[in-house]
Amino acid sequence: DADVTQTPRNRITKTGKRIMLECSQTKGHDRMYWYRQDPGLGLRLIYYSFDVKDINKGEISDGYSVSRQAQAKFSLSLESAIPNQTALYFCATSDTGTGAYEQYFGPGTRLTVT
Amino acid sequence: AQSVTQPDIHITVSEGASLELRCNYSYGATPYLFWYVQSPGQGLQLLLKYFSGDTLVQGIKGFEAEFKRSQSSFNLRKPSVHWSDAAEYFCAVRPVQGAQKLVFGQGTRLTINP
Repeated sequence: DADVTQTPRNRITKTGKRIMLECSQTKGHDRMYWYRQDPGLGLRLIYYSFDVKDINKGEISDGYSVSRQAQAKFSLSLESAIPNQTALYFCATSDTGTGAYEQYFGPGTRLTVT
Repeated sequence: AQSVTQPDIHITVSEGASLELRCNYSYGATPYLFWYVQSPGQGLQLLLKYFSGDTLVQGIKGFEAEFKRSQSSFNLRKPSVHWSDAAEYFCAVRPVQGAQKLVFGQGTRLTINP
């Protein structure tokens, strides 16, 4: 079984709809991250969480919100989706105990907003 | 400004040929350095990392990378590529001080000719 899972893997939605992307991990890591990937731009950080009570904005948080429901679960919401949020979204985890240097990624969610 | 640059957006090499992917960073102090690979339809997988010590680091899948402080570079190499190495490769850094987040380069897409 995958250590970091994301649901759904693919989603097509319409402009203005609310959508939630979910991430779960069985690695026991305390830190979780959401990134979006756009061609030619690499990965950009949306939000990150160092523990259940800690939520931080990344470089492109506008239009997104997150919820850390438990240590193992970190959800990303688009309250009112717009077409330029069409992208590949990745969840990642890391472990403070190892120095939190390395991040481990889920398989990604491909989101299309029409 | 702090940044990570992968100068080559797309590289094509023949199977069996050698490979070098470039990565340059601009940070005040040497950051922690990583290379990730993203195969088609997959998440990111860590190839190798550099924190300190020996400047030539070995990774998985036969890859290695060399840290050169004088050039602020961390180039990825492989002596002989295989068709399965076709993927997108990302260089990433994590500053030693300050925000404990990964910053990614734009990525280099590798195509292998048979």
